[in-house]
Amino acid sequence: KNEVEQSPQNLTAQEGEFITINCSYSVGISALHWLQQHPGGGIVSLFMLSSGKKKHGRLIATINIQEKHSSLHITASHPRDSAVYICAVSPGIGTASKLTFGTGTRLQVTL
Amino acid sequence: NAGVTQTPKFQVLKTGQSMTLQCAQDMNHEYMSWYRQDPGMGLRLIHYSVGAGITDQGEVPNGYNVSRSTTEDFPLRLLSAAPSQTSVYFCASSYSIASVGSPLHFGNGTRLTVT
Repeated sequence: KNEVEQSPQNLTAQEGEFITINCSYSVGISALHWLQQHPGGGIVSLFMLSSGKKKHGRLIATINIQEKHSSLHITASHPRDSAVYICAVSPGIGTASKLTFGTGTRLQVTL
Repeated sequence: NAGVTQTPKFQVLKTGQSMTLQCAQDMNHEYMSWYRQDPGMGLRLIHYSVGAGITDQGEVPNGYNVSRSTTEDFPLRLLSAAPSQTSVYFCASSYSIASVGSPLHFGNGTRLTVT
């Protein structure tokens, strides 16, 4: 069983819809990352968080440490949000450098 | 400030050939790492470094060597390429992997095919 599970694997939405992508993990962590991989292949970091909630523009990331769960929300989705969204965790103290990645959620936003 | 520069973008090798994938960053980041991305699988850590002179193995290190002689550079060497190493490779860096103020910066990737 993968230590990081994402759901759904694929998601299609219409422009303007509110989107939620989920990430569950099974190990203790020091931080959780949300990444975006564009259709051209480039990867950018969206958020890095260890507690609570972060917001950047239309993107919101939350984490519940006790439940070992994080969500990425996109409000008012747009076709340019179409990408693969990847969750990754930095394990706890002593192994913080060994990131483990989920397999990604492929999002397609249509007009 | 170029960020993370990864070269080449594409490479085709024959089985048994060797090559080096280059990765350089100009942000004075302590942490650098190499990943491979295969269809249907998440990114997997090959090797990483937490500073000049310090390297360690990740999840899939076999067939790859690394060194970190300077803070800026972290090359990945394939000593004898095998078809199983056909993949897309990404280099990434961060000031500190455990600090929430320090996101990962990725290179643009190298698509490697071994025939």
